[in-house]
Formats: sequence, C-alpha cells, structure tokens
Amino acid sequence: QQPVQSPQAVILREGEDAVINCSSSKALYSVHWYRQKHGEAPVFLMILLKGGEQKGHDKISASFNEKKQQSSLYLTASQLSYSGTYFCGTERGGSEKLVFGKGMKLTVNP
Amino acid sequence: EAQVTQNPRYLITVTGKKLTVTCSQNMNHEYMSWYRQDPGLGLRQIYYSMNVEVTDKGDVPEGYKVSRKEKRNFPLILESPSPNQTSLYFCASSLRQGPVSPLHFGNGTRLTVT
Repeated sequence: QQPVQSPQAVILREGEDAVINCSSSKALYSVHWYRQKHGEAPVFLMILLKGGEQKGHDKISASFNEKKQQSSLYLTASQLSYSGTYFCGTERGGSEKLVFGKGMKLTVNP
Repeated sequence: EAQVTQNPRYLITVTGKKLTVTCSQNMNHEYMSWYRQDPGLGLRQIYYSMNVEVTDKGDVPEGYKVSRKEKRNFPLILESPSPNQTSLYFCASSLRQGPVSPLHFGNGTRLTVT
C-alpha cells in the first residue's frame, strides 16, 4: 500500500526550514528517502530502520517513529540545490517490495 | 564509474509494435527493479528481480515482461504497447533487497506510444 506524503508541495525562500512527512497504515521495517531533480533520476538520501532511529546528512535529517508508522524528513536552512521532488519509500518486514509515495515537490527561491 | 545504464533515453512508437528497453548495471547488484513514473502517481513498481532467473510482479505488471538471464542485465519488454503505457520508466538496482540497501537509478527512458 502506497505511503502518504504531506504536504504535496512547498515553496520556500533560501534559508528557511521544511518538514516532509511520510505515513503508512501498515507496520514498517524501514523507510527510504530519495530526491529527484527535474529531468533527472531519483538519488538516494538515507534509510531509516525501525527503532526510532534518527539520521543526519549535512543539513538534511530524518526520523522514524515505528509506533506511528511515520517518518519525517527535515531540511534545515534550505539551499537552492534542495529544490526537487522528495520521495519516501516504505518497506514492510518480510516483504521484497519498496513502495514509494507520490512525492513532495519542494521549490527553494532566492 | 558505478552506474545503471538504460537505453534508449527517448522512444516514440506506435500501438502494438513490440519494444525492449535495456537496463544494465556494473555494480554486481543482486536486486534489480523497473518503475514507471506518472504525474501525480509517484514511482510505481512494475517488476523486480532478486537474482538471476528470479523475477516477480510489482504493483503494475500488466502489459510488461522482464527477464534476468544475466546478473547485470534486466530488460523491460512491451509485447504490444498501448497509449496508457506512455510514461517515464526507471530501472534501479541495489546490492540486495533489504532494509539497508539503497537503490541506484538509471537516467530514465521516456516512452511515448501513439
């Protein structure tokens, strides 16, 4: 079942923060985050495993709340290069499938 | 350079004319998968392969075929394309399917079926 991402789109000014949420109705084992720039392939950002792990990557970090079956991606002090569509992919334990959400389009303006 | 290579990048064809989109990876990855991307629908999995000679259906397999005769190659076959298969297609691979294996995507194939 496809995870639900929110919001669907956000427009920011450079330096502002953003949070992208990813929710599932099913118990999750892991959550993947990818960013896709216009006209390009999705690029891996990070994977979070069940256990409430929080990861960071430069000014991009994420958390995973397995009780709520929800993950959030935090973009701090956004840069122009952060513009793109962000996808979460969820994986249930024992499943061989990674199911992606519909994506969240982020636009960062000067 | 480690990469996933798809060909062609752009393809325009007519209804019913069989076509193949090739995908090759040079990372010795076990897992490979095909996705289609349509506006407002995100990435939807078509087929995937856990290893050589092992393939299985994803969420939208109708109208597609795949094969995995070699570890590096995973072609997508459309036996009789229809206009509703007009889409952007991505091939992806990972070391293995599992919670700690990130996907590496090819550059995509934009298919138009008229």
